[in-house]
Amino acid sequence: KAGVTQTPRYLIKTRGQQVTLSCSPISGHRSVSWYQQTPGQGLQFLFEYFSETQRNKGNFPGRFSGRQFSNSRSEMNVSTLELGDSALYLCASSLFGLEGYTFGSGTRLTVV
Amino acid sequence: GQQVMQIPQYQHVQEGEDFTTYCNSSTTLSNIQWYKQRPGGHPVFLIQLVKSGEVKKQKRLTFQFGEAKKNSSLHITATQTTDVGTYFCAGRSSNYQLIWGAGTKLIIKP
Repeated sequence: KAGVTQTPRYLIKTRGQQVTLSCSPISGHRSVSWYQQTPGQGLQFLFEYFSETQRNKGNFPGRFSGRQFSNSRSEMNVSTLELGDSALYLCASSLFGLEGYTFGSGTRLTVV
Repeated sequence: GQQVMQIPQYQHVQEGEDFTTYCNSSTTLSNIQWYKQRPGGHPVFLIQLVKSGEVKKQKRLTFQFGEAKKNSSLHITATQTTDVGTYFCAGRSSNYQLIWGAGTKLIIKP
């Protein structure tokens, strides 16, 4: 079965712009989580969605937002990009959010 | 806030030596998960431990969950080059949130 698909794989944006990242979970998975990974900070939890509702949120500013659609696909948006937002953004899905997560390959965002 | 401390940050071993990484939580966990991330890759789920004192094995990997459900360890026997990567623990807190350790990077010396 298909894994977790994230698009695009790479993205270069300018400071002040906004960006939208997409994640298609494994078919049947209803929980989708987003993480930011940087070399110095490890895996930082952004938010988790389950059945179109945000179930948990990490400690990120309001510039970071997300949503989940009825087919469980999820998007995250970052507005007013800053240089420090350069990172690998990972999406992970699981059936109900109680089991192990399957991660996508990530979107590498570079802000210049 | 709730934290999961993972040590060591790095471990260099000769191929064939053993490797252990430890996770300690400030609060009792419902369960704990372990993941492996190869260089340039994404985290891959290894296992979930749920019961107090639980020990599970996967070939050369042994996972333990402490009696108080506040600590866990991953032990690899006789490391191989394929074991290289960063190992993360992630504990499920009482309010359901998954709290991640900072990871232990396993480096195998040639």
